This record gives sequence, structure tokens and C-alpha cells, in this order.
Amino acid sequence: GAGVSQSPRYKVAKRGQDVALRCDPISGHVSLFWYQQALGQGPEFLTYFQNEAQLDKSGLPSDRFFAERPEGSVSTLKIQRTQQEDSAVYLCASSLLRNQPQHFGDGTRLSIL
Amino acid sequence: DQQVKQNSPSLSVQEGRISILNCDYTNSMFDYFLWYKKYPAEGPTFLISISSIKDKNEDGRFTVFLNKSAKHLSLHIVPSQPGDSAVYFCAASSNAGNNRKLIWGLGTSLAVNP
Repeated sequence: GAGVSQSPRYKVAKRGQDVALRCDPISGHVSLFWYQQALGQGPEFLTYFQNEAQLDKSGLPSDRFFAERPEGSVSTLKIQRTQQEDSAVYLCASSLLRNQPQHFGDGTRLSIL
Repeated sequence: DQQVKQNSPSLSVQEGRISILNCDYTNSMFDYFLWYKKYPAEGPTFLISISSIKDKNEDGRFTVFLNKSAKHLSLHIVPSQPGDSAVYFCAASSNAGNNRKLIWGLGTSLAVNP
């Protein structure tokens, strides 16, 4: 498909485990964003990439969260030593350029037991 | 503090009538506003946007109005259709810093009744 693709769609992990969430942006899109959405809330910004450069990681909740986009396309969000408060939907979005609308994937629903 | 506010958690309208969804913001640095539609278990879908240099933008059945002095924007859907039933999010961004991260409201759940 031509849209943003995220995998897995659902992830269940035990507290303390590490998880990795993948995002395939729309081909050619320079900007890539990660957001976290808790139940009943709007998405909250986590981090931003322009090509392979991570230009803003101010929204990452702790140093357990790490994101990368090594070749400027696919991105991975990694959470180490997961905790129950990490349970949320993680959304990835891409845009062709910085000043254009962001297009979202369907998210990964992460549940920490 | 919530920089983008959608004060109506829900709205119910009759098919064929107008739906008006409202959004207020507090940050005067915001210069780009977007509306997204979200179905359960799916990601937000971009609907329409408006730059702060305009006060109106129209795309088919969807029109967004921006009142900068009141820090208020609204989304009009005319005519409303049952397939429009979804949660609608207002989002805003500024040109400050080095990205265009979106700041979101909490959403308004729209139900369009046949």
C-alpha cells in the first residue's frame, strides 16, 4: 500500500521486557514523527526525524525510550525495561516536507502486563 | 495545560444537516491548523488544514474557519452523512523550533443519525 505502515499492530509484553515498534513511512517522505496516545486523549509528540537526523526528541518520556531512522526511511521506536504506564497506542506519521500535513499509520497498541 | 481545546466531547446531528465542530487554542505562535478524523482501531486520517494567513479553507463538504483574534477554529460538514460518524481531532503547530510537531485536542465524537 501507499500509506504509512506500522508493525506489529498489537504487542503484549511483560513488565521489564524490551519492545521494538516499526514504522514504514510513505516513500519519499522526509519528515517522520512518533506520537503516543493514551486512552481518551489526543496523541502526544515523542520525537521527530528529518531524513536520518533526529532533530527533536524532547517528547520522549524517559531514557528508556529510543528511536532511530538510520537510512532515512524505516524507523524503529524501542522501549527498554517496559513499565505499565508505557501502555498506549504508538502512532507514526510522515510528511513529504516539514510544512505539509502529516499522514498516520494505524498505530501499534502496546499493553504491558 | 491544554494548548488546544475541544470543549465538546460529543455531538449528535441528523443526516443531511450541518455538523459544526469547535476548537480553541491558547498559543499565539500556532500558525497552521489541521483537522483529523479517526475511526476505532485506525490511525487519524487527515481531512483539511488552514494556514494562519487565511480565514477559510474549503474542500468539498468540509470547510474550516479560523478566527485568529478569538483563537478559535471550527470545522463545518455539510451535508452530514452517517459515514462521517467518527472522532474528530483538532491539531495545531508552530514554526518555532526545528519541526512541525502537532499539538492535539482531546477530540469530539460525532454521531450522524440516519
